Amino acid sequence: AQSVAQPEDQVNVAEGNPLTVKCTYSVSGNPYLFWYVQYPNRGLQFLLKYITGDNLVKGSYGFEAEFNKSQTSFHLKKPSALVSDSALYFCAVRPINDYKLSFGAGTTVTVRA
Amino acid sequence: KAGVTQTPRYLIKTRGQQVTLSCSPISGHRSVSWYQQTPGQGLQFLFEYFSETQRNKGNFPGRFSGRQFSNSRSEMNVSTLELGDSALYLCASSLASWAGEKDTQYFGPGTRLTVL
Repeated sequence: AQSVAQPEDQVNVAEGNPLTVKCTYSVSGNPYLFWYVQYPNRGLQFLLKYITGDNLVKGSYGFEAEFNKSQTSFHLKKPSALVSDSALYFCAVRPINDYKLSFGAGTTVTVRA
Repeated sequence: KAGVTQTPRYLIKTRGQQVTLSCSPISGHRSVSWYQQTPGQGLQFLFEYFSETQRNKGNFPGRFSGRQFSNSRSEMNVSTLELGDSALYLCASSLASWAGEKDTQYFGPGTRLTVL
């Protein structure tokens, strides 16, 4: 069985500062890893994914994520946060032989002006 | 290209009733998955359909069921509603035709179900 941990319920940063949202995972075999963002009263919006290859993945809205196989981590990063990045962020994992996404509990990001 | 659409967006039901939620996937997508989101349990997988066949099912009671039509549109049904069924129900679609395909699930806005 696969699982995802997002160790921080909340992350608070000032606008213009770097933003990091942490994610670790547990899965048998090689995983597909994803980040989604959810704004209030909305569905999940896809940000980026890791399939294979380069450990640094670039996604939408200036976000990127670094895959670390030895630490089983997939942290989301943004060099300079915006107030509009304030939202709920979910990390998800899917084994390569399964259809089901398993999500972390989510991290609420607040970017203050 | 239009995204995933879900109807209705909001529903209020009472205990014991049943409810049907609808999902229209992105054009060309043949896989539809359903998830339940609650504050206590987070996002949990309900089931996944491809070509009108359920391929995978989460750990939910038999009161939760679904189906997919030949045009890939999907419905989920919850019978004998309980208070704990109050949640945001999210539908996601993808191209995936087989497990392992490097594909992304795109989510709809969800249906907010409130059970009184």
